[in-house]
Amino acid sequence: AQSVAQPEDQVNVAEGNPLTVKCTYSVSGNPYLFWYVQYPNRGLQFLLKYITGDNLVKGSYGFEAEFNKSQTSFHLKKPSALVSDSALYFCAVRDRAGGGADGLTFGKGTHLIIQP
Amino acid sequence: EPEVTQTPSHQVTQMGQEVILRCVPISNHLYFYWYRQILGQKVEFLVSFYNNEISEKSEIFDDQFSVERPDGSNFTLKIRSTKLEDSAMYFCASSPGQGQNQPQHFGDGTRLSIL
Repeated sequence: AQSVAQPEDQVNVAEGNPLTVKCTYSVSGNPYLFWYVQYPNRGLQFLLKYITGDNLVKGSYGFEAEFNKSQTSFHLKKPSALVSDSALYFCAVRDRAGGGADGLTFGKGTHLIIQP
Repeated sequence: EPEVTQTPSHQVTQMGQEVILRCVPISNHLYFYWYRQILGQKVEFLVSFYNNEISEKSEIFDDQFSVERPDGSNFTLKIRSTKLEDSAMYFCASSPGQGQNQPQHFGDGTRLSIL
């Protein structure tokens, strides 16, 4: 069985400061990892993914994430936070050994609040 | 940019009634999914659909649930006899056919309220 842990319910960051949203995962094989963002009353929007290769993945809106196999982590980062980044962020995993129709396993989400 | 669309945005139904949630996936996508999100909780996988049949389903997806792709564009989730605990946001998603590393694209969801 696969699982995702997002240890922080909420992260508060001042505008202009760097931000980190933490994620650790557990899969039986090798993972595909994803970050999604959810704004109020909207669906999940894809931010970035790790498939293979470079451990630092760049995505939409200036976000990036670092895959660390030894720590089974995939933390989301941004060098300089914007107030508009305030939203609910979900980390998700699927096992590479699975088929194309496998569902994603999501973490419980982290509320990111950027203070002006 | 093409989007996944879901209707209605909000559905209110009496307990015990049947409800059908509708989705139009992105047109060239081949894999379709339903997820649900109970208020304040994480997004949970329900079912995936490929090549006109269910590919994978979670333990949440019991005999009360069914999915269908009736006309080549719509993808529906039916709950036969709704229960109070079915109240949640239901998200439809789709992805291209190039493999499981492709991101799933989500609709804005249908909020289902069971009275």
